[in-house]
Amino acid sequence: AQSVTQLDSQVPVFEEAPVELRCNYSSSVSVYLFWYVQYPNQGLQLLLKYLSGSTLVESINGFEAEFNKSQTSFHLRKPSVHISDTAEYFCAVERAGSYQLTFGKGTKLSVIP
Amino acid sequence: KAGVTQTPRYLIKTRGQQVTLSCSPISGHRSVSWYQQTPGQGLQFLFEYFSETQRNKGNFPGRFSGRQFSNSRSEMNVSTLELGDSALYLCASSLTGTSAETQYFGPGTRLLVL
Repeated sequence: AQSVTQLDSQVPVFEEAPVELRCNYSSSVSVYLFWYVQYPNQGLQLLLKYLSGSTLVESINGFEAEFNKSQTSFHLRKPSVHISDTAEYFCAVERAGSYQLTFGKGTKLSVIP
Repeated sequence: KAGVTQTPRYLIKTRGQQVTLSCSPISGHRSVSWYQQTPGQGLQFLFEYFSETQRNKGNFPGRFSGRQFSNSRSEMNVSTLELGDSALYLCASSLTGTSAETQYFGPGTRLLVL
């Protein structure tokens, strides 16, 4: 079975400051890794994913995440946050062929003007 | 292209009743997944359907069931509602459900059980 741990439930950060949202996973088999974002009263949107290849993946809005197999981590980073980044962020894993995402408990990012 | 739609958006039921939630996937998508989101348990996988067949099921009691129709629309049913079933129910669709594809989530149905 897979599990995902998001170490911080809430992260406040000032606008234009950098941020890192931490995610660790546990799995006995290879998994694919995802970050989703949920804005208030909306569903989830895929931010980025790691399937294979380069361990650094980027999203179109400036977020990036690095897959670290030895530390079983997939931390999400952004060098400079905006007010519009205020949302809840979920890390997820999927075992190939399971058709099932296993999510972490989420991290609420609050960007302070 | 229209996104994933879920109906109804809000629902209030009482304990013991049953409820049916509907999900219409993006046109052309044949895989539909359902998730329950609660403050305490977070997002938990309920089941996944592809071409009217359930391919995977999460760890939920038999009161939770689902089905998919030939047009890929999906419904989930919860019988004998309990207070703990109050949650946001999300469905997601993708072309075939494989990991390489992006899953698109609907806005959810918020269920309150009194």
